[in-house]
Amino acid sequence: KQEVTQIPAALSVPEGENLVLNCSFTDSAIYNLQWFRQDPGKGLTSLLLIQSSQREQTSGRLNASLDKSSGRSTLYIAASQPGDSATYLCAAPSFSSGSARQLTFGSGTQLTVLP
Amino acid sequence: DTEVTQTPKHLVMGMTNKKSLKCEQHMGHRAMYWYKQKAKKPPELMFVYSYEKLSINESVPSRFSPECPNSSLLNLHLHALQPEDSALYLCASSQIRELYNEQFFGPGTRLTVL
Repeated sequence: KQEVTQIPAALSVPEGENLVLNCSFTDSAIYNLQWFRQDPGKGLTSLLLIQSSQREQTSGRLNASLDKSSGRSTLYIAASQPGDSATYLCAAPSFSSGSARQLTFGSGTQLTVLP
Repeated sequence: DTEVTQTPKHLVMGMTNKKSLKCEQHMGHRAMYWYKQKAKKPPELMFVYSYEKLSINESVPSRFSPECPNSSLLNLHLHALQPEDSALYLCASSQIRELYNEQFFGPGTRLTVL
């Protein structure tokens, strides 16, 4: 059974800092991994889907990496802004066999960027 | 268009009521999902539909009854709920392809059971 862990659980940084969020997973037989952002009381916004064949995936100030062999993914946020304050969740599939993908979520990292 | 819509946004119901949550997507996705999320917790999978057929039921109590009338629409029928069922209910959809199956979520329905 896939288990996903995220550290740290909470992070507070001043505006402008670069930061790294960590995600680890136990079952490395995955095709991809997805990072989400969630604002309080809202739904999840997909940030990046990184394939196992990719080392990195970039979207604006966000950069995600995936290392299947070590069971780790990182989300790098450059030049953080107060608007980046949210909970960041990573999700790894429990299986991917050509049918719908069952995601297992980490508990999230709650990020606060101070102006 | 990468939008998943959910109605209603908020729902308050008594334990004897029957209500339904609705989810819709027009991205041509053939997988649709219901998740339940409690405060400060990650989403927990409830049901998965693949090609309009129920493929995963994560041992959800029968007071929750999903329905997928067509490839764009997903419903969750609620009956005789308990106060502990109060949560944010999220719908998601994705393609059914191993590599390109990014899940897109709706804004959720905030359910309160009195």
